[in-house]
Amino acid sequence: GEDVEQSLFLSVREGDSSVINCTYTDSSSTYLYWYKQEPGAGLQLLTYIFSNMDMKQDQRLTVLLNKKDKHLSLRIADTQTGDSAIYFCAERPGGYQKVTFGTGTKLQVIP
Amino acid sequence: GAVVSQHPSWVICKSGTSVKIECRSLDFQATTMFWYRQFPKQSLMLMATSNEGSKATYEQGVEKDKFLINHASLTLSTLTVTSAHPEDSSFYICSVREEPQETQYFGPGTRLLVL
Repeated sequence: GEDVEQSLFLSVREGDSSVINCTYTDSSSTYLYWYKQEPGAGLQLLTYIFSNMDMKQDQRLTVLLNKKDKHLSLRIADTQTGDSAIYFCAERPGGYQKVTFGTGTKLQVIP
Repeated sequence: GAVVSQHPSWVICKSGTSVKIECRSLDFQATTMFWYRQFPKQSLMLMATSNEGSKATYEQGVEKDKFLINHASLTLSTLTVTSAHPEDSSFYICSVREEPQETQYFGPGTRLLVL
């Protein structure tokens, strides 16, 4: 089955850039997403990218996709304390409804 | 993006009782809604896909008689945890998928604690 993996924890200083990495195994993944979850809350969609794209930028967020290596990353520029949360990457093959989530990366921003 | 609400946001119940959780799509009609379960410090696990006007599709290992799903309208899906037990305590999150962008939006979640 599909497998999506992330590192469990990342700590950065406020103002630095954060890079959260994700690897997936399903070569038919068509849609790739990044979600943010704050404590006790649901998931907030941050951004998404189609598999025919290499990069997508949205304000402080930059998503890079290396389809050959099945590697997805989320870069947060000028990381703020409000960015502290758990970040999930997720993938979905085209034509299928099921989204597979990664294990989540807890981002800690140090003031 | 889509606005999704859940009610209640948290519930505490005694073992053996049934609990109903509502999920509403507030700004568009959703033919498909998804129910997830999240244990502490873990990822989301898809429980079932709720289809308006038809039976839900359950993931392997999820008991359909235990977790009853009703998707009676294009804006409302309900999950009923029947005869709840302490091991059912979890964070339940619903989601809707917005077409044609294919993006999926999540509700704020319902925390269930079964004593």
